[in-house]
Amino acid sequence: DAGITQSPRHKVTETGTPVTLRCHQTENHRYMYWYRQDPGHGLRLIHYSYGVKDTDKGEVSDGYSVSRSKTEDFLLTLESATSSQTSVYFCAIRVGLSGQNSYEQYFGPGTRLTVT
Amino acid sequence: AQKVTQAQTEISVVEKEDVTLDCVYETRDTTYYLFWYKQPPSGELVFLIRRNSFDEQNEISGRYSWNFQKSTSSFNFTITASQVVDSAVYFCALSEAGSGGYQKVTFGTGTKLQVIP
Repeated sequence: DAGITQSPRHKVTETGTPVTLRCHQTENHRYMYWYRQDPGHGLRLIHYSYGVKDTDKGEVSDGYSVSRSKTEDFLLTLESATSSQTSVYFCAIRVGLSGQNSYEQYFGPGTRLTVT
Repeated sequence: AQKVTQAQTEISVVEKEDVTLDCVYETRDTTYYLFWYKQPPSGELVFLIRRNSFDEQNEISGRYSWNFQKSTSSFNFTITASQVVDSAVYFCALSEAGSGGYQKVTFGTGTKLQVIP
């Protein structure tokens, strides 16, 4: 258990409405990530964060914004949801041993978002 | 650019059979990392293994084993004596050491394994 929670776990919303998904970690990890999972695409990186107020774009960032005001929380916002953003969203943290150059990512339980 | 190919979209086996999930990767880096994740029907993503490019030693963990071959750019995953609980989608992933501090991870599209009792 990597101590990652996501909320809400399920959400149905209408096109054009704003939506915010929350990722919370309890272990003070520096790096956090937001992915979306779609059939035939695996997981694709939306945004990531390397510290409080430090964020950057991933490969599918259009239509999404993020914020990280505290180490433990990483928020993903869909400013105006579209049907193409219907997906399962996963948050991840980077975990590794001190001194190693490689880290695993551990994932939260996911949020299933449906945009109607 | 890094790329991961899992050519097997779905595999069905009968319980107790052995099954191998294929993973082929592309990278220009000489130092990189490979991962396998399991996603059971409940939906969570479970980390299984990380392998560094400079360590080609194969690994075995219970019924699971991983065969890393740099010569063929493959990192295959074998489940011996499969069980119904092994039914899941399995993702192979790649991270290049030079992909920046945030460590970009590229995932394959996954292989769905169904173990039939």
